[in-house]
Amino acid sequence: DGGITQSPKYLFRKEGQNVTLSCEQNLNHDAMYWYRQDPGQGLRLIYYSQIVNDFQKGDIAEGYSVSREKKESFPLTVTSAQKNPTAFYLCASRSWTEGIKAFFGQGTRLTVV
Amino acid sequence: EDKVVQSPLSLVVHEGDTVTLNCSYEVTNFRSLLWYKQEKKAPTFLFMLTSSGIEKKSGRLSSILDKKELFSILNITATQTGDSAVYLCAVEESGGSNYKLTFGKGTLLTVNP
Repeated sequence: DGGITQSPKYLFRKEGQNVTLSCEQNLNHDAMYWYRQDPGQGLRLIYYSQIVNDFQKGDIAEGYSVSREKKESFPLTVTSAQKNPTAFYLCASRSWTEGIKAFFGQGTRLTVV
Repeated sequence: EDKVVQSPLSLVVHEGDTVTLNCSYEVTNFRSLLWYKQEKKAPTFLFMLTSSGIEKKSGRLSSILDKKELFSILNITATQTGDSAVYLCAVEESGGSNYKLTFGKGTLLTVNP
């Protein structure tokens, strides 16, 4: 079945550690996105990528990094520079084809302990 | 400043009521507006709107876009408790070869029996 897979679903991290969240899609979508969701904040864009080996900062990129070495994969690293990393992280992808909606993964809930 | 503004932020109604959710936006190169429903984790797609004045309808839900006034509404008639969710509005804008998808904060709808 085609879709987007985020892993892990739950992640705990100690302060000062970097952690990488996985996002894989087998939909052959060109564009991929990372969002952060906090209570009452909606979805805020962290990074997005249109093609392999290219990505752009979103509205809240500080403290995060990404890579797009393969079309199917868009991992997000939450670095120790991110001051408030505890949140729900959602990955999405969409096709270039006009009218194709964005699909979302099930999300990763990151908790810093 | 927020580019996508949803109102109200929360709404409580009784089963059978009709609700209207609002989404206004301000982007430079508008491409499309999307509505999503988020119950627990991954948002699920409702509508994609690209043309003004054309109503999209799915069962009790409908949506319309006004590109001149830069807003969209989502209507839900004869609400049911299963409609309780956060409804997210997103706007896609193009910047050269990049397509950015920005979400509003969402409207939390609670439908009481």
